[in-house]
Amino acid sequence: GAGVSQSPRYKVAKRGQDVALRCDPISGHVSLFWYQQALGQGPEFLTYFQNEAQLDKSGLPSDRFFAERPEGSVSTLKIQRTQQEDSAVYLCASSLRGFADTQYFGPGTRLTVL
Amino acid sequence: QKEVEQDPGPLSVPEGAIVSLNCTYSNSAFQYFMWYRQYSRKGPELLMYTYSSGNKEDGRFTAQVDKSSKYISLFIRDSQPSDSATYLCAMEGSARQLTFGSGTQLTVLP
Repeated sequence: GAGVSQSPRYKVAKRGQDVALRCDPISGHVSLFWYQQALGQGPEFLTYFQNEAQLDKSGLPSDRFFAERPEGSVSTLKIQRTQQEDSAVYLCASSLRGFADTQYFGPGTRLTVL
Repeated sequence: QKEVEQDPGPLSVPEGAIVSLNCTYSNSAFQYFMWYRQYSRKGPELLMYTYSSGNKEDGRFTAQVDKSSKYISLFIRDSQPSDSATYLCAMEGSARQLTFGSGTQLTVLP
């Protein structure tokens, strides 16, 4: 079956622009996660949804970052007034249930802020 | 100090070698331990998932967990050029989020 898909795969933004990154999880997966991966580093947790409820947003680096999953399926990560330090790969993962369940990752969106 | 420490490498080995990858962690709340493989410009894919201390084997891969020492390992036997990738250890505690190591870049030379 289809895996986790993300779009766009690459995004270039000028500093100060707003961007929106989309994640389509595996159909039927209850939990959805966003991670940020800087060059040469492991992914770092940003936020977690169970269905449409955002249960943990402790990893969001600032109030410029906002995520939503209004219908419990597709999710969007929005970054307002982008800064150069926001340049990274943004990974989305989904799992069937949640705790202690395998997380399946998408290919990521590579964001470059000039 | 990071919760999960992983030697970034890079590690270069000849084809057929046994590869040993390691992570240490400091958070006693971690209960589940995973190894992911990540090819360039791809998302991480799960290789191994373990819960208890001890060994778990899957084909050429063996995952080892020592909770008393807070140390996990991944062994790759008969390494192949197709194993060339970045290997990430990851851990999960009471929160649903995964905490990753920084990754070890492995190259298997033909």
